[in-house]
Amino acid sequence: GAGVSQSPSNKVTEKGKDVELRCDPISGHTALYWYRQSLGQGLEFLIYFQGNSAPDKSGLPSDRFSAERTGGSVSTLTIQRTQQEDSAVYLCASSKGTPDVSGELFFGEGSRLTVL
Amino acid sequence: GQNIDQPTEMTATEGAIVQINCTYQTSGFNGLFWYQQHAGEAPTFLSYNVLDGLEEKGRFSSFLSRSKGYSYLLLKELQMKDSASYLCAVMDSNYQLIWGAGTKLIIKP
Repeated sequence: GAGVSQSPSNKVTEKGKDVELRCDPISGHTALYWYRQSLGQGLEFLIYFQGNSAPDKSGLPSDRFSAERTGGSVSTLTIQRTQQEDSAVYLCASSKGTPDVSGELFFGEGSRLTVL
Repeated sequence: GQNIDQPTEMTATEGAIVQINCTYQTSGFNGLFWYQQHAGEAPTFLSYNVLDGLEEKGRFSSFLSRSKGYSYLLLKELQMKDSASYLCAVMDSNYQLIWGAGTKLIIKP
């Protein structure tokens, strides 16, 4: 597609349930990022995929969070046993190459997660 | 620790000029970005500064002083559609982006 696509755009779930959020990056972009955006906070880095390299998982807040990127394209962020503090907008972004070459990120519109 | 500071909210008048400041303390520096984010939408790229000085792009300009750890985004001839949040982000020595909390800009007629 022309831009980064995320689904679902909105997800309401009950505490303790698992959720999956999907990101379809711009075709040909090798880098894919997941961020979390809470009200009044800066974007919080979660995980970074670059080509076939091992992902940088240093931002994942707990072992309830995991992410995959299949075939170097679509990515899924999974949150297990959701907690109320997981409520936020989850943003996916992609870029053409490594950050030292192309720092500009192209963002999706995000998945708003509400945990009741 | 790494820190990006920018004002939480600013108000300006349609047709006027506004300057949004950003100060940073990071482990190394590989460039500073400004993004615009309208409510409920994706952030979109505005500018990138890696050398000191002013970069002008239409009604928007961005300035950087690396020695002062300081940048500003200047918006001229403000339009109602410029009402948005403006996010400052610095790329550190590990090429990680460190984000400020954003400045919500309100434009009044």
